[in-house]
Amino acid sequence: NAGVTQTPKFQVLKTGQSMTLQCAQDMNHEYMSWYRQDPGMGLRLIHYSVGAGITDQGEVPNGYNVSRSTTEDFPLRLLSAAPSQTSVYFCASSQGFLRFFGPGTRLTVT
Amino acid sequence: QKEVEQDPGPLSVPEGAIVSLNCTYSNSAFQYFMWYRQYSRKGPELLMYTYSSGNKEDGRFTAQVDKSSKYISLFIRDSQPSDSATYLCASASSGSARQLTFGSGTQLTVLP
Repeated sequence: NAGVTQTPKFQVLKTGQSMTLQCAQDMNHEYMSWYRQDPGMGLRLIHYSVGAGITDQGEVPNGYNVSRSTTEDFPLRLLSAAPSQTSVYFCASSQGFLRFFGPGTRLTVT
Repeated sequence: QKEVEQDPGPLSVPEGAIVSLNCTYSNSAFQYFMWYRQYSRKGPELLMYTYSSGNKEDGRFTAQVDKSSKYISLFIRDSQPSDSATYLCASASSGSARQLTFGSGTQLTVLP
């Protein structure tokens, strides 16, 4: 039982590049979400999904896209990276109000 | 005003001390209260959770909620260097239990 896995662990992008952060869970949870964590800002919700085929925006969705084709996978796409997207990104899967977080992806945009 | 406020610290205590970590919240609809622990360069891990008011104890950790004052506390007894981490509080309402609101985290260092 791996829980929530994220790849890559680290990534450096140039401004304007696109990329996909991968997230997978093996707990059969319907609810999954993406957060970014910045110093002094805590965890801010980017997008979430309540099941395969259903996604919605969180607090800071601009510049990001998501899709949910399976229960297990919830990738986050950066369409055109900007320095303001330099952050640590966490994927989480949930059972009710209990969140289980992945190990994070540390992204730097230059 | 953020719905969940948390003093960012940093907080530094000697080994063996009792640590008190606190949050305040403004949304009266919050019913679920959680504490997450996050080690450096790791993801947050759920430490404890409570529903509504009262205390919950788990080993050296006690979570306390006072709904009358909208105050959430985490107490750590006999603190250890391995407790050094950032602690995040989080809350949710029963109507949308999946929509967590997080505090910004308190960085704790326990000195040997």
